[in-house]
Amino acid sequence: DAGVTQSPTHLIKTRGQQVTLRCSPISGHKSVSWYQQVLGQGPQFIFQYYEKEERGRGNFPDRFSARQFPNYSSELNVNALLLGDSALYLCASSPSGTGDHEQYFGPGTRLTVT
Amino acid sequence: GNSVTQMEGPVTLSEEAFLTINCTYTATGYPSLFWYVQYPGEGLQLLLKATKADDKGSNKGFEATYRKETTSFHLEKGSVQVSDSAVYFCALRGKGGSNYKLTFGKGTLLTVNP
Repeated sequence: DAGVTQSPTHLIKTRGQQVTLRCSPISGHKSVSWYQQVLGQGPQFIFQYYEKEERGRGNFPDRFSARQFPNYSSELNVNALLLGDSALYLCASSPSGTGDHEQYFGPGTRLTVT
Repeated sequence: GNSVTQMEGPVTLSEEAFLTINCTYTATGYPSLFWYVQYPGEGLQLLLKATKADDKGSNKGFEATYRKETTSFHLEKGSVQVSDSAVYFCALRGKGGSNYKLTFGKGTLLTVNP
């Protein structure tokens, strides 16, 4: 079975631009979470979606937004990019919206803002 | 809020040496505890977990015991291999309303030399 997939693998954007990152969860998983991993740091929680509704949000500005589609895939959008948004963005899927199940991580999207 | 503190890296060992990576946490109640591993260019993989006090998680020769009295979850392996070279993250997941998200430490880079 395919694991969590993310696209694109890498991208480079300029300050002030907007970016959309995509995630496809493991088949049958209904929850998707997004994490930001700045170089040299541990991942930081951004959002969790379950059944197309936002279930939780981390301490990130409103420039960050996300949504989940009927097929449970998800997009993370970041507007007005700053240099500090350069990071590895990880998506994780889980069967449910609670912490009872393990989260499975994708390989990430490496975003570089210049 | 919840937090995880793990020992600063990098850690460099020779093959077959003993490994310890310290991890302590701060959390309300009794969280679930995890060790994740990140190989170069890849996403996070769950290495082991423990969900209650005195539980011992183990996988691939790695072990960690949930110590409530010292709020610790130290990772150990008796004989490391070159293939264990990676970044190791300690993480927790709270109980109750916020139990959907993981809180990570900063990570410890392990390099094992032949």
